[in-house]
Amino acid sequence: SQQGEEDPQALSIQEGENATMNCSYKTSINNLQWYRQNSGRGLVHLILIRSNEREKHSGRLRVTLDTSKKSSSLLITASRAADTASYFCAPSSGGSYIPTFGRGTSLIVHP
Amino acid sequence: GAGVSQSPSNKVTEKGKDVELRCDPISGHTALYWYRQSLGQGLEFLIYFQGNSAPDKSGLPSDRFSAERTGGSVSTLTIQRTQQEDSAVYLCASSPPTGWGSNEQFFGPGTRLTVL
Repeated sequence: SQQGEEDPQALSIQEGENATMNCSYKTSINNLQWYRQNSGRGLVHLILIRSNEREKHSGRLRVTLDTSKKSSSLLITASRAADTASYFCAPSSGGSYIPTFGRGTSLIVHP
Repeated sequence: GAGVSQSPSNKVTEKGKDVELRCDPISGHTALYWYRQSLGQGLEFLIYFQGNSAPDKSGLPSDRFSAERTGGSVSTLTIQRTQQEDSAVYLCASSPPTGWGSNEQFFGPGTRLTVL
């Protein structure tokens, strides 16, 4: 089964800056999800975008999906120190809708 | 409300011993997943249960690994004859029975397994 591959592997920015993380996958998808993982709260679902959607927003988060390029991006605007975490994309394909995860992007936001 | 719970939170065992890891999904969730995460790595899919359907075991790394889900609720992941490479955090997640395209996962805190 496929898994998402996040890029970059690590990202370090200052508070207030925007952070962009990218995800690529190999085969057609049903949907793609983004998750955040930090030591305090474990893995938490952020946003789900379906294969027929191109953009979705949730608060300071913006996710885009380009199925022709088999890629997605997560933009966090006006970042905060609390956004420091690892971010994973998880595409789902096939009939079973099993999200598969890559190695994630490690984001550090400096106060 | 109650989230996904896992027990134990930490397990240290000796090489060659069997271990059982437990997952209590959110009540009413029909889908249950097991993943494992090694240090600094992503999540490796292990097994997926959906309702009364046969589980998808395609991610189990060897026949030492097995899982059950009793009564459509609690699940147990069993690792027989543990090896040092089995050391990882084992994560359980559940998803509600929502419609097409919505399989948001709710994760438990994980069980950290250390095989000495």
